[in-house]
Amino acid sequence: DAKTTQPTSMDCAEGRAANLPCNHSTISGNEYVYWYRQIHSQGPQYIIHGLKNNETNEMASLIITEDRKSSTLILPHATLRDTAVYYCIVNTNAGKSTFGDGTTLTVKP
Amino acid sequence: EAQVTQNPRYLITVTGKKLTVTCSQNMNHEYMSWYRQDPGLGLRQIYYSMNVEVTDKGDVPEGYKVSRKEKRNFPLILESPSPNQTSLYFCASSFGGANQPQHFGDGTRLSIL
Repeated sequence: DAKTTQPTSMDCAEGRAANLPCNHSTISGNEYVYWYRQIHSQGPQYIIHGLKNNETNEMASLIITEDRKSSTLILPHATLRDTAVYYCIVNTNAGKSTFGDGTTLTVKP
Repeated sequence: EAQVTQNPRYLITVTGKKLTVTCSQNMNHEYMSWYRQDPGLGLRQIYYSMNVEVTDKGDVPEGYKVSRKEKRNFPLILESPSPNQTSLYFCASSFGGANQPQHFGDGTRLSIL
């Protein structure tokens, strides 16, 4: 599976957009990019995923570069409840799943 | 409500006393998986199951056993727990594998003394 690299931590002002980057330079053609988040020690929560095209759902938007080597998760109007650890993962293998260390996003009033 | 249910949520026990953490999902998912989470080490996969009677090792399987006799259940068994298995454990499930959105349980915090 492709390895992902994320910044360790980021801050964002409440009400502003939070843009979380992820580098996956070794991604291969059939690998999807997935984003999850974990609030405190709760179970991780699926946010969004994509292959090539940009994706949007009720939680977030996912922008994938044309070469697919990086992506950005966008929370358009961050709230205090969006404070969490955000994981970007890339899985090919149907069984094995590798989560990295993620980005700790702190939304500040 | 669609959910993954783990029991117990918290357990303090002693070295060597066999224990089982149960995991059940009500979404008719084919795939189930166990992870452990330790400070500074992120989520690490222990075992996964692509379907009934099919299980395979993840990255950290040592000291654990699993079984998948029914689609909805995927128990994690610690035959002889040791203190280094003190951790936060999560069970997850999905329709078709790790490359489908995974639904996670609320976690089980195990302390092995």
